[in-house]
Amino acid sequence: DVKVTQSSRYLVKRTGEKVFLECVQDMDHENMFWYRQDPGLGLRLIYFSYDVKMKEKGDIPEGYSVSREKKERFSLILESASTNQTSMYLCASSLIGGMRDEQYFGPGTRLTVT
Amino acid sequence: GEDVEQSLFLSVREGDSSVINCTYTDSSSTYLYWYKQEPGAGLQLLTYIFSNMDMKQDQRLTVLLNKKDKHLSLRIADTQTGDSAIYFCAETHTGKLIFGQGTTLQVKP
Repeated sequence: DVKVTQSSRYLVKRTGEKVFLECVQDMDHENMFWYRQDPGLGLRLIYFSYDVKMKEKGDIPEGYSVSREKKERFSLILESASTNQTSMYLCASSLIGGMRDEQYFGPGTRLTVT
Repeated sequence: GEDVEQSLFLSVREGDSSVINCTYTDSSSTYLYWYKQEPGAGLQLLTYIFSNMDMKQDQRLTVLLNKKDKHLSLRIADTQTGDSAIYFCAETHTGKLIFGQGTTLQVKP
């Protein structure tokens, strides 16, 4: 089974702190994604990556950056956390050319910025 | 841009059928998906339908696709309390998924 793990389930940070969210997948998937989930808004794509050291902006990249130094690991960085970044963050991965373009999700990190 | 719309909430009684509806705008989508999110968990693929199909049945789940109206529905027969979750409709677009807002299904005993 594909496994996508995220470094923390719950995180509380202060405004202005630099925050790192880590995601690791164990199925050699090329594609990795970071979403944020807010009630009534569904999932919104922040950044994605098709390969090591490659990144593409999603729909809401402002205030975020990403890093992909190894194929299995995709990090989301909040350079200076703000209260409006309090949310659930979900990581996903998929195989390029994989059947159904299916994405596999991690359990999520609930981030609270105070 | 591409958009996927769902109603936010549905409440049913245990044993009844649930129907969750979704509309989308991108007529070039290859696959359309239903994901399920249980409380405190990530999303899991529940079922999918290829764009050239009208219907797909998988045990208690029936997916109906009306390409003309760009309407997708998920029917859950004999709904159980364990079906309580958020259900997301999604379509593919250039390798990415576009998600709806999610429908919270509440199942009353």
